[in-house]
Amino acid sequence: QSVLTQPPSASGTPGQRVTISCSGSSSNIGSNTVNWYQQLPGTAPKLLIYSNNQRPSGVPDRFSGSKSGTSASLAISGLQSEDEADYYCAAWDDSLNAHVFGTGTKVPVL
Amino acid sequence: EVQLVESGGGLVKPGGSLRLSCAGSAFTFSSHSMNWVRQAPGKGLEWVSSISSSSSYIYYADSVKGRFTISRDNAKNSLYLQMNSLRAEDTAVYYCARARKAAATRVGFDPWGQGTVVTVSS
Repeated sequence: QSVLTQPPSASGTPGQRVTISCSGSSSNIGSNTVNWYQQLPGTAPKLLIYSNNQRPSGVPDRFSGSKSGTSASLAISGLQSEDEADYYCAAWDDSLNAHVFGTGTKVPVL
Repeated sequence: EVQLVESGGGLVKPGGSLRLSCAGSAFTFSSHSMNWVRQAPGKGLEWVSSISSSSSYIYYADSVKGRFTISRDNAKNSLYLQMNSLRAEDTAVYYCARARKAAATRVGFDPWGQGTVVTVSS
């Protein structure tokens, strides 16, 4: 059972802005940094955002992350067809002594 | 290019055992914590286990504790997952993933391997 809660789906049309929420608790998001992963269909996950709002090299700047309290969010500005994927948030949980993932959000580009 | 390649997956009967391997290349393997993450068919990502660079710190998900053992051989740039007492619910793609930053455990995973499929069925 996932500890971090995400909406199952967040659709948009090309060019739109889409936001995905990730809700946790004081033992995970509240006290540790949040990472976001993108999983394109049939491929391994890829790190998209680390340390709440940092982009690895090569990740387009239309992807941005933020964190406030025990929640985090991922925003995709100027949605493109190649952004159609599943997105997962993740963080370390101090109570569980474990990495925890979000439930995942599917982003179809309509 | 930093690369992780998993191997060892396959079909195993309930109660059986399997050992997964992950070979790392193009980075200082001994400096990074390593992780196993799995994904059951049609489901989300589930963290399985982590091991620090020198094997001093090891963590397991409750769902595998007592059945799975993570280990590493820094001389061989390799990570392992020994899986015993396998159950149908362990069926998944198993990914190995490197900690993004050297000498850190509670950080993001980057990169990930391509995954190896484990099927537990009679």
